[in-house]
Amino acid sequence: AQSVTQLDSQVPVFEEAPVELRCNYSSSVSVYLFWYVQYPNQGLQLLLKYLSGSTLVKGINGFEAEFNKSQTSFHLRKPSVHISDTAEYFCAVSGNTGFQKLVFGTGTRLLVSP
Amino acid sequence: DTGVSQDPRHKITKRGQNVTFRCDPISEHNRLYWYRQTLGQGPEFLTYFQNEAQLEKSRLLSDRFSAERPKGSFSTLEIQRTEQGDSAMYLCASSPALPGGEQYFGPGTRLTVT
Repeated sequence: AQSVTQLDSQVPVFEEAPVELRCNYSSSVSVYLFWYVQYPNQGLQLLLKYLSGSTLVKGINGFEAEFNKSQTSFHLRKPSVHISDTAEYFCAVSGNTGFQKLVFGTGTRLLVSP
Repeated sequence: DTGVSQDPRHKITKRGQNVTFRCDPISEHNRLYWYRQTLGQGPEFLTYFQNEAQLEKSRLLSDRFSAERPKGSFSTLEIQRTEQGDSAMYLCASSPALPGGEQYFGPGTRLTVT
């Protein structure tokens, strides 16, 4: 079984500042890792995913994440945020064999202010 | 393709009533998932279909819940004898049958049980 911990429930940041949203996971098997964004009253949209290969993954809207197997982490970063990045961000994990249901963290609300 | 659609977007019902939600996945996706999201939490897996076969169900899916996917196309999720604890956002997602295949989420159906 897998689990995900997102330590920060809310991250306030000023526009154009860098941001890091933290995600740690637990699994007894090898994993796939995902970051999803949820805007108000909308479904989840995939930002990026790690399946294998390079541990630095680039996604949409200027986001990137780094898979660190030894620290079981998959932190999300953006060098300069915009007001429009204000949303809920979810980290998710699945096993990488057989059926792959997503196990989500509790989410981090990113609040970007001018 | 217009993505995953869900109907209705909002449902208010009285305790004890039955409700049914519909999900139309992306047409070429043969995997379909249902998740439930409560306030302040990440989505939690409920059940999964590959084509018309329901292959896995979470322990969260009590016997009051039933899901179907006739002909491997759209899916329905029915909740019988609703309880106030069933109030949540019900999310549907679909994906291709590929390792790490991206799950595309619909906008969700928000259920309120009074």
